[in-house]
Amino acid sequence: GQQLNQSPQSMFIQEGEDVSMNCTSSSIFNTWLWYKQDPGEGPVLLIALYKAGELTSNGRLTAQFGITRKDSFLNISASIPSDVGIYFCACTQGGSEKLVFGKGTKLTVNP
Amino acid sequence: GAVVSQHPSRVICKSGTSVKIECRSLDFQATTMFWYRQFPKQSLMLMATSNEGSKATYEQGVEKDKFLINHASLTLSTLTVTSAHPEDSSFYICSASVSGQDLSLHFGNGTRLTVT
Repeated sequence: GQQLNQSPQSMFIQEGEDVSMNCTSSSIFNTWLWYKQDPGEGPVLLIALYKAGELTSNGRLTAQFGITRKDSFLNISASIPSDVGIYFCACTQGGSEKLVFGKGTKLTVNP
Repeated sequence: GAVVSQHPSRVICKSGTSVKIECRSLDFQATTMFWYRQFPKQSLMLMATSNEGSKATYEQGVEKDKFLINHASLTLSTLTVTSAHPEDSSFYICSASVSGQDLSLHFGNGTRLTVT
């Protein structure tokens, strides 16, 4: 099946630092979505990207849909302790609404 | 924003019993909902697509007779785990998209199923 390569698998940073994570694939996707999941809860949508090259911000978060439609990155600026969690990229292909997920990036922020 | 409610949040059942999980879209109508399964420290895996008024579409390897899905209205889909076994213990999460807009999939808070 379709696979998304998400990296890094985990990150340990100090509060105030910037964070960058990315997802790549060998396939072309129509939509890139970035989610954050806290333990025992469902994923929460952070940013949705619909067009190749699109750069979108949501507060301290910025994400871009790669021009080749095969990759995306998520940046978090000036991290705070509540940024702790697992971040997932997810994509759709063609006209489908079915999501393919990356394996996640576990973020730990040390105060 | 769009809210998806899932119930129950936790359930413990004995082997051989059946468990029903509900997924509701609270402030929008969803013709399509999705059911995912997540094992500890792993990503979400799509189990099936729930279509209002028609049969669900199951992903390869998912037993449709074991995981019964009913989408009786535009705001409610249910997943029933039949004859549950300990290996069915997992975190089950539903999602729904807002019809008519750019794809924006919102997830419920998940149901932690433990089969003893």
